[in-house]
Amino acid sequence: EVQLLESGGGLVQPGGSLRLSCAASGFAFSTSAMTWVRQAPGKGLEWVSSIAGSAGTTYYADSVKGRFTISGDNSKNTLYLQMNSLRAEDTAVYYCAKDYLAGQLSYYFDYWGQGTLVTVSS
Amino acid sequence: EIVLTQSPATLSLSPGERATLSCRASQSVSSYLAWYQHKPGQAPRLLIYDASDRASGIPARFSGSGSGTDFTLTISSLEPGDFAVYYCQQRNNWPPTFGPGTKVEIK
Repeated sequence: EVQLLESGGGLVQPGGSLRLSCAASGFAFSTSAMTWVRQAPGKGLEWVSSIAGSAGTTYYADSVKGRFTISGDNSKNTLYLQMNSLRAEDTAVYYCAKDYLAGQLSYYFDYWGQGTLVTVSS
Repeated sequence: EIVLTQSPATLSLSPGERATLSCRASQSVSSYLAWYQHKPGQAPRLLIYDASDRASGIPARFSGSGSGTDFTLTISSLEPGDFAVYYCQQRNNWPPTFGPGTKVEIK
């Protein structure tokens, strides 16, 4: 059974940093493309970042580029999102999601975690 | 960036009724459109990809249609567990984008 469990959310001041983790199980994490999607309070879903391929090619939304870094640790089957220079508009529930296609980044997401809440406020 | 518009914003129906949800793209996304179901506090669930292909384990009462700019998700007969928010998402143009969602609520 595929499972994705996010952690690391919390309250942080503007300008601060936070690292989210997503523990994965039940599938071949090392060959799977993975993605972070967020949902601000009362808003819809927003793609944030993806990582794909054995080379770990990364992609970012313009709104987070230069501030967020996605990475994966295959030995721990864990996906990370390092978030720096956080802003109030980064407040959201952050979901990790597995790509639908094995070994590729299709930008369809067939399994998601239940999310972790990040609140950026002073 | 492709903008997806969903209508209606809210759909009030009774169990057993047919639900028809619409998603319109600001430019063609070919058939590269997915639908997700999202319930509060739960993980979103992939229902449909490539406009009309059901994801693994999705019941046949969920169907998708359309291409280009206009897409439809149909739930043929609503069951109690189907009341949720439904999002469309395109992957034809980078970045991938989601629609604002349609809430299907119990009438």
